[in-house]
Amino acid sequence: AQTVTQSQPEMSVQEAETVTLSCTYDTSESDYYLFWYKQPPSRQMILVIRQEAYKQQNATENRFSVNFQKAAKSFSLKISDSQLGDAAMYFCAYRSASGDDKIIFGKGTRLHILP
Amino acid sequence: DARVTQTPRDKVTEMGQEVTMRCQPILGHNTVFWYRQTMMQGLELLAYFRNRAPLDDSGMPKDRFSAEMPDATLATLKIQPSEPRDSAVYFCASGSTGLTYNEQFFGPGTRLTVL
Repeated sequence: AQTVTQSQPEMSVQEAETVTLSCTYDTSESDYYLFWYKQPPSRQMILVIRQEAYKQQNATENRFSVNFQKAAKSFSLKISDSQLGDAAMYFCAYRSASGDDKIIFGKGTRLHILP
Repeated sequence: DARVTQTPRDKVTEMGQEVTMRCQPILGHNTVFWYRQTMMQGLELLAYFRNRAPLDDSGMPKDRFSAEMPDATLATLKIQPSEPRDSAVYFCASGSTGLTYNEQFFGPGTRLTVL
């Protein structure tokens, strides 16, 4: 069974600085999808960024980018120029490309932005 | 602006009462998921539907929980009778198997408090 591990329960970063959130996963599949979701205090789960496993180019969405290392089964999220609005719980997630609709979520990393 | 809607946003009830939570998936989406989120357990998948058919409800306590999709625009999660340990935020999410990533779009959640 696939698993997703986020080893940092909490992190803090100074406003305007860059922070990287770690995520590793375990799978025997070669084709899959990876996601980062953000959950701010409003509790709304928001999709931040997504990556296909067979695409070598790392996904980027404005200030958010990923470092996808397929061999290492690592999928870290980098937030550049951190803003107060980035304070949230961040969830790493995995979905098999084999036809399973279910997404497997990590336990989350709570990110604090220091003014 | 297509989004998943959930009602009610908040619900406070007494132990033993029936609770019904409703979800309207994004129009055109054919998968619906129910999650429960607590501090201790994180995000747990309770049940999911594809094309209105229940595919997996293994995460749901069968004796008191039930999930249905009366039609493509409505999913319901019912707890009867409710217990204090059911207090949590319940999320509905929808997705589409016709999209490459088949990512899930979440509703705002229902915060349930059982006294």
